[in-house]
Amino acid sequence: ILNVEQSPQSLHVQEGDSTNFTCSFPSSNFYALHWYRWETAKSPEALFVMTLNGDEKKKGRISATLNTKEGYSYLYIKGSQPEDSATYLCAFIIIGSARQLTFGSGTQLTVLP
Amino acid sequence: DGGITQSPKYLFRKEGQNVTLSCEQNLNHDAMYWYRQDPGQGLRLIYYSQIVNDFQKGDIAEGYSVSREKKESFPLTVTSAQKNPTAFYLCASSIIGGNADTQYFGPGTRLTVL
Repeated sequence: ILNVEQSPQSLHVQEGDSTNFTCSFPSSNFYALHWYRWETAKSPEALFVMTLNGDEKKKGRISATLNTKEGYSYLYIKGSQPEDSATYLCAFIIIGSARQLTFGSGTQLTVLP
Repeated sequence: DGGITQSPKYLFRKEGQNVTLSCEQNLNHDAMYWYRQDPGQGLRLIYYSQIVNDFQKGDIAEGYSVSREKKESFPLTVTSAQKNPTAFYLCASSIIGGNADTQYFGPGTRLTVL
């Protein structure tokens, strides 16, 4: 069974702080890396999809980078706001996996006002 | 409105009973998935289907069954053979190959076995 590791497991930051999380995955046969945001009482929503080594994606104050050779992705949040509080999931797909996503256990972010 | 619906939101079942969780999508997506979430763990794939009348086992299919008679619907039955069924269940769908298979999720069903 393939493994994806996310760290830290949980994080509390003050409003206005910048923060980042890590997602580590096997680098062999890489196809795609997804980031999802899962707010309490809502459905997980896709944030970013990255497929190429060196990819950088940005949406407002949130950005992500991808290194497929070493098998990691970083998610950055600049100037965290209380509405950023959520669990951030990463998931990857490998070639030949019938396009199945393998999820990490997530990083739970709480932004304190 | 396009989306994925799951019902019910909360479900209680007595030990030894089968129960079916509903998942419907009107996004015209080909693929549908069922995941299970337990505390401290990532989403684990139970079953998936890429086409009507065909489905494949995921990592933890034992004790579960599914059907895909219509493109829009992918119900999951939790059977009495599932040893630890209390969990949160998420359904998702995707366009095969669309945006590297981005998945769209329903709101989930929390199943509690009494």
